[in-house]
Amino acid sequence: AIRITQSPSSLSASTGDRVTITCRASQGISSYLAWYQQKPGKAPKLLIYAASTLQSGVPSRFSGSGSGTDFTLTISCLQSEDFATYYCQQYYSYLPTFGQGTKVEIK
Amino acid sequence: EVQLVQSGAEVKKPGESLKISCKGSGYSFTSYWIGWVRQMPGKGLEWMGIIYPGDSDTRYSPSFQGQVTISADKSISTAYLQWSSLKASDTAMYYCARRIGEQWLVLDYWGQGTLVTVSS
Repeated sequence: AIRITQSPSSLSASTGDRVTITCRASQGISSYLAWYQQKPGKAPKLLIYAASTLQSGVPSRFSGSGSGTDFTLTISCLQSEDFATYYCQQYYSYLPTFGQGTKVEIK
Repeated sequence: EVQLVQSGAEVKKPGESLKISCKGSGYSFTSYWIGWVRQMPGKGLEWMGIIYPGDSDTRYSPSFQGQVTISADKSISTAYLQWSSLKASDTAMYYCARRIGEQWLVLDYWGQGTLVTVSS
């Protein structure tokens, strides 16, 4: 199975900050990567797929980049509603796998 | 409006059987794959498997093959996840979600989750 290493596991930031989360795949996955946001007690929400395509309704402060093995989720100007856990997911192989998650906390 | 509504929380004993459900509405249920994802307490997301309700084609993660059964009843737009003999380690939140389309194995609409607690 393709392993996804997500970093950092947690970070503290303030509203207005620029935040970057990375995912590294154990082998090349082209652009077959998605990002999800999960708030406590809620289901995950799709933010980005195909590495950089914003899902409908997702604010433009979210962006994704990368291809091959290295990917980045950027939140350009952190808002209060963005404090959550973020997961990446590869779907290059028949068996999708998720990163371990990054918890974005209030500084 | 696309919606996936899951059945309510369950408390079961080890060895018991269980079937939880996920009812889709607001779209053509038979035209989109439905995936199941496990989240153990305080942990991350794990892909369990996926089913195409149109013909019941089902794919399992090797980690869950033989441990659970995924099925669907297209006549009532409902997908299921079932266990024949629960273990304490099956305690988790289980989510169903719709695959966005054939090109990407990505989940765009999610159910609210079903919490399964297995305890003696």
